Amino acid sequence: DQQVKQNSPSLSVQEGRISILNCDYTNSMFDYFLWYKKYPAEGPTFLISISSIKDKNEDGRFTVFLNKSAKHLSLHIVPSQPGDSAVYFCAAPRGGGSQGNLIFGKGTKLSVKP
Amino acid sequence: KAGVTQTPRYLIKTRGQQVTLSCSPISGHRSVSWYQQTPGQGLQFLFEYFSETQRNKGNFPGRFSGRQFSNSRSEMNVSTLELGDSALYLCASSLGSAESTDTQYFGPGTRLTVL
Repeated sequence: DQQVKQNSPSLSVQEGRISILNCDYTNSMFDYFLWYKKYPAEGPTFLISISSIKDKNEDGRFTVFLNKSAKHLSLHIVPSQPGDSAVYFCAAPRGGGSQGNLIFGKGTKLSVKP
Repeated sequence: KAGVTQTPRYLIKTRGQQVTLSCSPISGHRSVSWYQQTPGQGLQFLFEYFSETQRNKGNFPGRFSGRQFSNSRSEMNVSTLELGDSALYLCASSLGSAESTDTQYFGPGTRLTVL
C-alpha cells in the first residue's frame, strides 16, 4: 500500500530552466511533508518541508506547493543547476506525528544538463 | 557538529549468517530510526528508538531487531540473512520530540550484500 507516490522515476532538465517534481499521497491524515535529496553513496539530505496548514513554502531556489484537495505536492527548483542532479524523495510522517517514522515515495532522479 | 555516522560502510555476508550494523547519532539527538533502501521497494521504515525504547516498528520480520544504548547510539541486527536482505541500510537521528517539524538527519548508510 503505497501511501506516498512519485510517478515519474526520472526527469531531465536543461540548466537554468525550472525543474518540477511531483508527489501524490493517499492518506488525508498526513499533515506534514518533506523533500529529501540523495546523491549516490550518501544518505538523504533534508531539503524543504511544508505543513498542511500552508499551500506554499519557499527556500531560495526551492519552493514546495501543496494542494490538499488533490492530495498533491510539487517541488519547484528555479533555476536548475547541474549540482541539483540527484534523486529526490517526497516523504510524510506516518500517523501525522514525529518524523521518526517516515513514509517515502520511490524517488525521482533529476538530471540537469549543462 | 559531527553528523550521523554509520559503521561499517560496506559489508558482505553469506546466506544464513547474521550481521550487526552500528549508528552514532548527532550529539544531543535521542531518536534513532532505521530504514532499508532497495531498488524495488524504495526506502522503508524498519524501527525507531527513543531513550533506549523501541517507539515505532515497521512491517519487517522478527529477524530484524535493534537496540539503543544510554548514549543514544544504536545497533541493528539481522539474523539468518537472506539474499533479499541485500540493501542500503540507513540510520537517521533527530531530537526525538513528537513534533512533525523535528527534522531527521541521515547517515551515509551501510551497503549490505548477501551472497
